[in-house]
Amino acid sequence: KQEVTQIPAALSVPEGENLVLNCSFTDSAIYNLQWFRQDPGKGLTSLLLIQSSQREQTSGRLNASLDKSSGRSTLYIAASQPGDSATYLCAVPYSSASKIIFGSGTRLSIRP
Amino acid sequence: DAGITQSPRHKVTETGTPVTLRCHQTENHRYMYWYRQDPGHGLRLIHYSYGVKDTDKGEVSDGYSVSRSKTEDFLLTLESATSSQTSVYFCAISGVVGQGALGEAFFGQGTRLTVV
Repeated sequence: KQEVTQIPAALSVPEGENLVLNCSFTDSAIYNLQWFRQDPGKGLTSLLLIQSSQREQTSGRLNASLDKSSGRSTLYIAASQPGDSATYLCAVPYSSASKIIFGSGTRLSIRP
Repeated sequence: DAGITQSPRHKVTETGTPVTLRCHQTENHRYMYWYRQDPGHGLRLIHYSYGVKDTDKGEVSDGYSVSRSKTEDFLLTLESATSSQTSVYFCAISGVVGQGALGEAFFGQGTRLTVV
């Protein structure tokens, strides 16, 4: 059974700092790994998708890496801004790609 | 934004009544999913579909059923609603891209269901 863990559960940093969010998974036989953002009371917005054959993906100030052998992914946010405050979730599909399992998320707060 | 619409967006219903939530997509994606999100439990998979008339259970399927008679529609039914099913329900879609790789998953805006 695939289990996805995100550490830390919450993080508060001052504006401008670079930060790293962590995601770990127990079964390395994944199809891809996806990072999402969720604002309070809203749906999930896709940030980055890393296919299983890739090591990293970049979008603007965001960089996600994937190490399948160790069962880990990191989301790096450069020069954080108050608008980055949200909950960040990682997700992996497994079991013939039909099931997507989520971590519990990291609640990020950027202080002005 | 991906073409995915959930309806209704909000619903209050009484215990014991049946409730159906609808997810509609315009992307022609193969996979569709229903999740519920609750404080302290995160997102949990209820049911999913890998094609028309092809569905299977997720981790919290008791009390729920689904149907997919067309590619674009995935219905979630609470047979007899209970207070424990008060939650926010999200639909998601994903498809196959390129040389068989699984593409991004996209989420609807959610349905807030309250069972009184």
